[in-house]
Amino acid sequence: SAVISQKPSRDICQRGTSLTIQCQVDSQVTMMFWYRQQPGQSLTLIATANQGSEATYESGFVIDKFPISRPNLTFSTLTVSNMSPEDSSIYLCSVVLGPENEKLFFGSGTQLSVL
Amino acid sequence: QQQVKQSPQSLIVQKGGISIINCAYENTAFDYFPWYQQFPGKGPALLIAIRPDVSEKKEGRFTISFNKSAKQFSLHIMDSQPGDSATYFCAASSHGNQFYFGTGTSLTVIP
Repeated sequence: SAVISQKPSRDICQRGTSLTIQCQVDSQVTMMFWYRQQPGQSLTLIATANQGSEATYESGFVIDKFPISRPNLTFSTLTVSNMSPEDSSIYLCSVVLGPENEKLFFGSGTQLSVL
Repeated sequence: QQQVKQSPQSLIVQKGGISIINCAYENTAFDYFPWYQQFPGKGPALLIAIRPDVSEKKEGRFTISFNKSAKQFSLHIMDSQPGDSATYFCAASSHGNQFYFGTGTSLTVIP
């Protein structure tokens, strides 16, 4: 498995501001993913963070709203920009490991509340 | 379109009982089926997983049953304990590509 650390663990933010979430992994990984989990809902993939290139965003998510950085193989950040109450969710960093990159592991998540 | 359908949405089981959560999928290209356990305020934790070449996998009190022809798989928690109370998600992926998650089952084990 992997130790995936996320900061902050939770935050309460004002509408219109931005928050940057950090994700640190204890080993080098090729792909890192960012998920959103809205209250009482399942997990939705926001984007795949690629080292050395731009992130790949899923339908419904755009770079201007969720800019992502991936400066190296152990670290990534997700910024939630110009926040609104609808952005209140748990944001999860994840990585795939295993001989076939089949095992998906999650960080502890960032609980975001937007007022 | 929901790639993986999960039921029930919530489940209440007596301590010592068997908890059963079911999932169904359509895409026959899926080749990896994990289950995740999530406690409040925590990220999902990989619990157990199976590949379609076996019909059952057991790890302690947790068992996955897999029916390839029916495109269904289920999680069985034997001797359920209050500490098992959590939300459980099934998922499916193909060759480590995008993971598709079920909608989750909130399990409550009553002492």
